[in-house]
Amino acid sequence: DAGITQSPRYKITETGRQVTLMCHQTWSHSYMFWYRQDLGHGLRLIYYSAAADITDKGEVPDGYVVSRSKTENFPLTLESATRSQTSVYFCASSLGGQGGGGNQPQHFGDGTRLSIL
Amino acid sequence: AQKVTQAQTEISVVEKEDVTLDCVYETRDTTYYLFWYKQPPSGELVFLIRRNSFDEQNEISGRYSWNFQKSTSSFNFTITASQVVDSAVYFCALISTGANSKLTFGKGITLSVRP
Repeated sequence: DAGITQSPRYKITETGRQVTLMCHQTWSHSYMFWYRQDLGHGLRLIYYSAAADITDKGEVPDGYVVSRSKTENFPLTLESATRSQTSVYFCASSLGGQGGGGNQPQHFGDGTRLSIL
Repeated sequence: AQKVTQAQTEISVVEKEDVTLDCVYETRDTTYYLFWYKQPPSGELVFLIRRNSFDEQNEISGRYSWNFQKSTSSFNFTITASQVVDSAVYFCALISTGANSKLTFGKGITLSVRP
């Protein structure tokens, strides 16, 4: 039972490069989310998706692109990485429920630690 | 707008002590859900509990208990007889059922349990 997996776990890249973080879930959850976790800021929502081909911005979407062509995958792309995007990135999924973000518990992947030099 | 405040940033206790982690929330919506998550040193986020705004019953799960009080907008988490394995960062979170509502996390409380 894989649940939700993120890859890579660790990534080092340079300013200006494009980098894609992968997220895959096996629960057929309709909702998927991307967060970044930074010291002093806690967890902040970048983008989320209520279903395949439906995505919406979160609190800090600038500099990021997402897509969701299949229910189980929700990749996050940094088109031109900047140092301020150095962070730990978490993907999550949930069954959804009431409201824009869904009221069901979100289940998180193990995170990707991204360093941009 | 919604907000979650975890005023305690770091707590250190000795094993077997009881410890309470505070969570105060703000929302204008009457229907909302509160969560607690645990982030151990290994880094993953683990869901612990969800409580809806219409259910003020306290919940107990083993050494963990949760006290939800709408009158004070609080959803506090108590660990009884703490253990070293309880050392982690604990996050409280809130979401309402509004169309634009997203899960809002508090800044987290770092709990250290010393042997």
